[in-house]
Amino acid sequence: DAKTTQPNSMESNEEEPVHLPCNHSTISGTDYIHWYRQLPSQGPEYVIHGLTSNVNNRMASLAIAEDRKSSTLILHRATLRDAAVYYCIPVFGNEKLTFGTGTRLTIIP
Amino acid sequence: NAGVTQTPKFQVLKTGQSMTLQCAQDMNHNSMYWYRQDPGMGLRLIYYSASEGTTDKGEVPNGYNVSRLNKREFSLRLESAAPSQTSVYFCASSIAPTDYYGYTFGSGTRLTVV
Repeated sequence: DAKTTQPNSMESNEEEPVHLPCNHSTISGTDYIHWYRQLPSQGPEYVIHGLTSNVNNRMASLAIAEDRKSSTLILHRATLRDAAVYYCIPVFGNEKLTFGTGTRLTIIP
Repeated sequence: NAGVTQTPKFQVLKTGQSMTLQCAQDMNHNSMYWYRQDPGMGLRLIYYSASEGTTDKGEVPNGYNVSRLNKREFSLRLESAAPSQTSVYFCASSIAPTDYYGYTFGSGTRLTVV
């Protein structure tokens, strides 16, 4: 299984962009990189996933390094509702999602 | 569109009691999962069902049993609850058990065993 390293916590000001980093140096060439977030007292919520190229959706953007050893989740304009724990999860084939402790994002009004 | 529905939302059990946590999804997903989350930790997989009629153990299956009742429903049973099973339990579903599809999670069942 690919191991991930994420900061324990980060802070960002409201209405500013947020860049959440993840290192996954042991990732294999066919591991997808998934991002989930967990708002307080809720279940995890799918955010975005990608394989090699950068990905965008209505929630966020995912920038994947060329060597795939790291990725960055980008929230373009953080709101108070984005305060959550963010999980970076490499997944291969039929493997199931394996959650680490993630990054706790605090948004400052 | 309800997504993944879990019942009950809260439960207190005495040590040795049994109970079943219910989970239902209305998205026509093939795969379903049960996770537990202890304070300050990530989620750990208990059991999963890749498709109707199949179930497999995850990372922490001891003390639990599951039933995939039909395509919509996946229940988790604690036969003899122990304080170590105090946790928040999350059910999830996905279209298929591969890396390409995201999971949809329920809002959780908060279980306390005293």
